[in-house]
Amino acid sequence: AQKITQTQPGMFVQEKEAVTLDCTYDTSDQSYGLFWYKQPSSGEMIFLIYQGSYDEQNATEGRYSLNFQKARKSANLVISASQLGDSAMYFCAMSVPYSGAGSYQLTFGKGTKLSVIP
Amino acid sequence: NAGVTQTPKFQVLKTGQSMTLQCAQDMNHNSMYWYRQDPGMGLRLIYYSASEGTTDKGEVPNGYNVSRLNKREFSLRLESAAPSQTSVYFCASRQGPNTGELFFGEGSRLTVL
Repeated sequence: AQKITQTQPGMFVQEKEAVTLDCTYDTSDQSYGLFWYKQPSSGEMIFLIYQGSYDEQNATEGRYSLNFQKARKSANLVISASQLGDSAMYFCAMSVPYSGAGSYQLTFGKGTKLSVIP
Repeated sequence: NAGVTQTPKFQVLKTGQSMTLQCAQDMNHNSMYWYRQDPGMGLRLIYYSASEGTTDKGEVPNGYNVSRLNKREFSLRLESAAPSQTSVYFCASRQGPNTGELFFGEGSRLTVL
């Protein structure tokens, strides 16, 4: 069964510092996608970044980068120059084939709560 | 630019009552999903529809039914609500079964007394 593990329930980071949020995954599929979402206290789910299993380069989106280590099955999110607005829950997710032919689903980790300290 | 719209945003039910959560997307996406979010559990997939005319069970389908009414709309029904179904429900859509990111609605907070 596919599984996403986020081992850090909570993290603190000083404003303007970089922070790494850990994510490991388990799948036997060769083709999969890895996503990170942000959920602020207001509750909406905001897409941050995507990495495909065949992508050779790590994905980057502004201050977000995904440290993809395929052999270790890890997809850590790196946030550079943290801002107060980065305080939120962060979810790692994986898209894998599921059930019927042509079906895929996103499986989510339990999340990491990031708090940015002024 | 509405994206994914869910209604209602809040609902309180008594045990045994039924209700339907409505979801509509205006992005011409093929795939739609219903998740529930509980504290410390992340998001768990209830049902999904890879394309119009198809629906499949996810991780936690018991106590729920779904209808993919057309390409835009995907509803979630609780036939006989139970306190264990107290949760925040998210509808989401995606361009295709394995294409692009999930776009989420704002969530519906359901309390079952």
